[in-house]
Amino acid sequence: GAVVSQHPSRVICKSGTSVKIECRSLDFQATTMFWYRQFPKQSLMLMATSNEGSKATYEQGVEKDKFLINHASLTLSTLTVTSAHPEDSSFYICSARQLAGHYNEQFFGPGTRLTVL
Amino acid sequence: GNSVTQMEGPVTLSEEAFLTINCTYTATGYPSLFWYVQYPGEGLQLLLKATKADDKGSNKGFEATYRKETTSFHLEKGSVQVSDSAVYFCALSLRDYKLSFGAGTTVTVRA
Repeated sequence: GAVVSQHPSRVICKSGTSVKIECRSLDFQATTMFWYRQFPKQSLMLMATSNEGSKATYEQGVEKDKFLINHASLTLSTLTVTSAHPEDSSFYICSARQLAGHYNEQFFGPGTRLTVL
Repeated sequence: GNSVTQMEGPVTLSEEAFLTINCTYTATGYPSLFWYVQYPGEGLQLLLKATKADDKGSNKGFEATYRKETTSFHLEKGSVQVSDSAVYFCALSLRDYKLSFGAGTTVTVRA
């Protein structure tokens, strides 16, 4: 089956530093990847849509200069949280849509727990 | 806009009990509907889906039927097991592939 990995699974950083999270589709090519944020005991909120080779599209209210997204290849997208602050602490989840796969099906990574001290 | 409303939890059941989690939606268009499951410490997994009215999605004993007239996609399982303890998310997607999730329902099954 389609597998999506994320790295790291957990990261703790100091306030003001930047953190990069990688999302990889391991056994398929993904033209589109999505980045979500999940607060404790709440639902997933879509942050941005990332298309290979083009700029990401951000949802309303998401700061694109704070959450930098790069989708350099069909198997890798990265999310960089710049100048992180404690309020950025959250669970970040990526998903990938298969290039020639099922209509509207996304495969999710296991998530990255970010804690900003 | 598009939105999903699902039954608030938490839900606690005994093993072999019947489970229903209600889900209704609003959408500008004709969405595909999904149930995702998140087991403790793991990522989301697609449980089942339906892409058109009256379709029934099923997997692992779970079922949900796409009801256009009531804009609903309720999840059911006739006999739950301890291993079904998880958070269940109802979601919809239109042709832009973006998923809109419900708030999630935490289900705990006791032996």
